[in-house]
Amino acid sequence: AQRVTQPEKLLSVFKGAPVELKCNYSYSGSPELFWYVQYSRQRLQLLLRHISRESIKGFTADLNKGETSFHLKKPFAQEEDSAMYYCALNPPNAGKSTFGDGTTLTVKP
Amino acid sequence: GAGVSQSPRYKVAKRGQDVALRCDPISGHVSLFWYQQALGQGPEFLTYFQNEAQLDKSGLPSDRFFAERPEGSVSTLKIQRTQQEDSAVYLCASSLGLVTEAFFGQGTRLTVV
Repeated sequence: AQRVTQPEKLLSVFKGAPVELKCNYSYSGSPELFWYVQYSRQRLQLLLRHISRESIKGFTADLNKGETSFHLKKPFAQEEDSAMYYCALNPPNAGKSTFGDGTTLTVKP
Repeated sequence: GAGVSQSPRYKVAKRGQDVALRCDPISGHVSLFWYQQALGQGPEFLTYFQNEAQLDKSGLPSDRFFAERPEGSVSTLKIQRTQQEDSAVYLCASSLGLVTEAFFGQGTRLTVV
């Protein structure tokens, strides 16, 4: 069975500090991995997906198949990054997602 | 509107009552998904439509849950004889295709008392 684990419920950093949100997954195959973000009082939205290999709002995430991880990183956190972040997994060529339970990131001034 | 629209935004139901939750996807989006999000947890898949065809309903928790999309556009998630454990946020998402970006609605928060 597929599973996504986000070990940190809460993460707090100071503005300008590096931030890493952890995501580990279990899936027998080659899934597609995503990060979604939900800002306060807004809807869930896609932040980035591993196949596009792009940086969005300064965030990057590398898929490590050996460690089955897809950690989200940003070198210098900003206050506007404060939000709930969800890691998600899709089987190949399938739209339905398995989500982790999310990490609340707070960036303090 | 430009985004996925869900109504009502909030619903309070007495235990045993039937409820219907509506999702208006983005125009032209073929794929439509329903998720259930309990407090403090991530969204959990309920069911998936491609146009009007319900291709996957493996996530529906019981036969009290029923979803339809009769004309391949608007979808309704119906819960019969609601129970307290049905209290959650119900999210709808739509996408152009199966593997393209999914856009989420604001959700319907259902509270069963």
